Amino acid sequence: SQQGEEDPQALSIQEGENATMNCSYKTSINNLQWYRQNSGRGLVHLILIRSNEREKHSGRLRVTLDTSKKSSSLLITASRAADTASYFCATVLGKNTGNQFYFGTGTSLTVIP
Amino acid sequence: EAQVTQNPRYLITVTGKKLTVTCSQNMNHEYMSWYRQDPGLGLRQIYYSMNVEVTDKGDVPEGYKVSRKEKRNFPLILESPSPNQTSLYFCASSSVPGLGNTEAFFGQGTRLTVV
Repeated sequence: SQQGEEDPQALSIQEGENATMNCSYKTSINNLQWYRQNSGRGLVHLILIRSNEREKHSGRLRVTLDTSKKSSSLLITASRAADTASYFCATVLGKNTGNQFYFGTGTSLTVIP
Repeated sequence: EAQVTQNPRYLITVTGKKLTVTCSQNMNHEYMSWYRQDPGLGLRQIYYSMNVEVTDKGDVPEGYKVSRKEKRNFPLILESPSPNQTSLYFCASSSVPGLGNTEAFFGQGTRLTVV
C-alpha cells in the first residue's frame, strides 16, 4: 500500500515550542499534502508541496520534501494550544499511476498551554 | 460557500437494518470518495468515484455500496450493517487528483454505531 506513515504517532509539547512531524511513503508522487483534523471533525487542507519542490512555507508552517528518501516533514513553529489536533500527510500519485489520495495514519499533537 | 455535506452526523442502528449516509458537494468536483476512520488505523478508503456512473473499490469495500448518479451526490449504502462497521465515516471531494494542485475537501463526518 502507498499509505504513508507518520512519525511520531503522538507528540506533546509546551506552547511556544516547535513541533515537527514526519511522513514517509513508498512510491513516486505527484504531490504531497498535509491536513489537520480537530477531534472527530473533517480533515482540513493545510499545505501542498509538489514533487519538484523541496520546501514550502505558509505562515507558521514549513514543509520539506525529500523525494530521494520518500519523506516529508511538517514543522509548526511557535506552537499554540489551538494547534492541538491530528495531522495527516496525503500523497497524490500521477494520473497514470492511480488518481488517488493516500492518507497516512496521522500524528496526534498536543500543545500544553 | 464551498462545502461537502454529510448526513446524518450521528447514527445508531441495529444489525441488519439497511442505512444510507448521504454526501453532497457544491464544487462541481469530479472525484468523490468515502473513508472510514478507526483508532490507530488512520483513514481507509472504502469506495471512490472519478465521475458520474464511475465507481471503484478502495481498500475496505466489503459490506458497502455506493452510487454516483449525479455529479454532486455520492451516497454510501450499508445493506446489512454489522457491529464491525461501527466507525467514523468521511466523504471527500476534489478535482481529479494527479492532474494538478488539487486538495481534498472533507465533510464533517458521520459517527455510526451498529448494535
